[in-house]
Amino acid sequence: ELKVEQNPLFLSMQEGKNYTIYCNYSTTSDRLYWYRQDPGKSLESLFVLLSNGAVKQEGRLMASLDTKARLSTLHITAAVHDLSATYFCAPATSGTYKYIFGTGTRLKVLA
Amino acid sequence: ETGVTQTPRHLVMGMTNKKSLKCEQHLGHNAMYWYKQSAKKPLELMFVYSLEERVENNSVPSRFSPECPNSSHLFLHLHTLQPEDSALYLCASSQATGYGYTFGSGTRLTVV
Repeated sequence: ELKVEQNPLFLSMQEGKNYTIYCNYSTTSDRLYWYRQDPGKSLESLFVLLSNGAVKQEGRLMASLDTKARLSTLHITAAVHDLSATYFCAPATSGTYKYIFGTGTRLKVLA
Repeated sequence: ETGVTQTPRHLVMGMTNKKSLKCEQHLGHNAMYWYKQSAKKPLELMFVYSLEERVENNSVPSRFSPECPNSSHLFLHLHTLQPEDSALYLCASSQATGYGYTFGSGTRLTVV
């Protein structure tokens, strides 16, 4: 059974600081997605990582994937308040419905 | 209109009512999904439709009944729900199973 764990579950950080969210998963997958959810809103796609060593960056967020370690990271650089949201990772295998969302990391950036 | 549209946005229903949630996508996607999001719980996959055929039913109680009449529309029919069914119900679509999702805005359901 595919299990996905994110840590931390809650993260409160000061503006301008850096931090990393970790996503560990239990079985092989050939891609991994990161999503963002604002309070009371739906999920928005951020990144898709398709291969071992893949790195994607968008603004202050950078995601990476290590398929051998079954680990993805989402690194936040110089956080700003607008990044406050819940972030979900979701490993997937194309052509299947093995697509499990992590527990989510609720990020709060304090001014 | 593009994207994934869900209606209604909010729904309050009694335990003896029958209601339906609607989801519509104009992205040309071949797979559609229903997810349940409760407080303090991970997103739970309920149903998967691929090319209009149901391919996954994650042990969902029979009081939830999905319908996919065509590749653009997905319904979730609700009857005799319980208060613990109160949650945010999210519809999503993807090009094919295992690909990135586009989510709808969700229906906030409250069962009284």
